Amino acid sequence: EPEVTQTPSHQVTQMGQEVILRCVPISNHLYFYWYRQILGQKVEFLVSFYNNEISEKSEIFDDQFSVERPDGSNFTLKIRSTKLEDSAMYFCASSESAGQGRGYTFGSGTRLTVV
Amino acid sequence: GESVGLHLPTLSVQEGDNSIINCAYSNSASDYFIWYKQESGKGPQFIIDIRSNMDKRQGQRVTVLLNKTVKHLSLQIAATQPGDSAVYFCAEIPGTYKYIFGTGTRLKVLA
Repeated sequence: EPEVTQTPSHQVTQMGQEVILRCVPISNHLYFYWYRQILGQKVEFLVSFYNNEISEKSEIFDDQFSVERPDGSNFTLKIRSTKLEDSAMYFCASSESAGQGRGYTFGSGTRLTVV
Repeated sequence: GESVGLHLPTLSVQEGDNSIINCAYSNSASDYFIWYKQESGKGPQFIIDIRSNMDKRQGQRVTVLLNKTVKHLSLQIAATQPGDSAVYFCAEIPGTYKYIFGTGTRLKVLA
């Protein structure tokens, strides 16, 4: 079964450093998403991306966040200057069409720890 | 490693019993709902979905009930198995792109 692949599985970074979280969506999917889950809390929407531009973003997704599809296979989330409160699991997801439930597939996540 | 959801409400059921997990959603405009299962170290996995024009939908061993009047969803798992142990989230979809997840319930299946 096709999977969304995220790397690394765990990243530790110093406060103030830039991090890039990487995702390889399912190959025929056109819509890409990032979510985060702070320990013990809900999975929260960050951003959706379609046709090489952001289609929707949440209030969490401020100027320190950016997303990019640098080539035909990768989808990245960059955090410019990490803060302690950015520590969370970050999930990438992709779907073939917008809001499609069964085909909206999540990766296994990257655990980001900011120290 | 440490798992997410340490402070989640927990439902403990005996193996073979039925489980009922509840969720309240917030947005009256949501017209599509999904239940997800999240095992330790993995991302959310789709279980079953339901549209707002339905009040019940059945899958294999799972049933989702939707009560729009009180904005309530439930997930029923028949004959719960050890492999069902996980955190279960409901998600509401009020628009096109983003999913709004509930807090989650940890299901523990007792042998």
